[in-house]
Amino acid sequence: DSGVTQTPKHLITATGQRVTLRCSPRSGDLSVYWYQQSLDQGLQFLIQYYNGEERAKGNILERFSAQQFPDLHSELNLSSLELGDSALYFCASSVAGQGMDTEAFFGQGTRLTVV
Amino acid sequence: DQQVKQNSPSLSVQEGRISILNCDYTNSMFDYFLWYKKYPAEGPTFLISISSIKDKNEDGRFTVFLNKSAKHLSLHIVPSQPGDSAVYFCAASPRTSYGKLTFGQGTILTVHP
Repeated sequence: DSGVTQTPKHLITATGQRVTLRCSPRSGDLSVYWYQQSLDQGLQFLIQYYNGEERAKGNILERFSAQQFPDLHSELNLSSLELGDSALYFCASSVAGQGMDTEAFFGQGTRLTVV
Repeated sequence: DQQVKQNSPSLSVQEGRISILNCDYTNSMFDYFLWYKKYPAEGPTFLISISSIKDKNEDGRFTVFLNKSAKHLSLHIVPSQPGDSAVYFCAASPRTSYGKLTFGQGTILTVHP
């Protein structure tokens, strides 16, 4: 158990809908990262938050947004869903935003299926 | 543009022998390299890392070697055990944002008893 909790584990929704994925980081971790793993793209970095503020952005679509709340949990919002958004979405957390001690610990992921 | 490449989709090894997983990268800004292991239905688990100032890091049965001039790193597992069977991902991050990992496509390691 990595200490990172993601809910829900599975989500099935229709095209055009909006969903929210939730992540609770390990106790004490200030950084939260979101990754997408699809069959053809592998693990892709989406976005990082550090202590409530956006720190780094990857290839995140404009239809996707995220935030980190004062209690450090994070939510990833996916809207106007398309079939191609079906993927595993991982959240990871680490102690700091920069520095060598930033091995990220991953949650078990949320499997999103868009039908 | 795949900045981190694992060219072998799979590797099969006998128990007790050495497993060598390879990874190449193209981005000179990468400063920190990691290996993650992933079992089905679980998130990736951190295994071992190395910074660009070193060429070797060892942790028990796992050793990572970094050749900066060749932009190549490898993970050696000695001796291999059936429980090591999993998908292994190489990842790299730049000095400016260590948490922003770029992953390779993964190598499926199967260790036969």
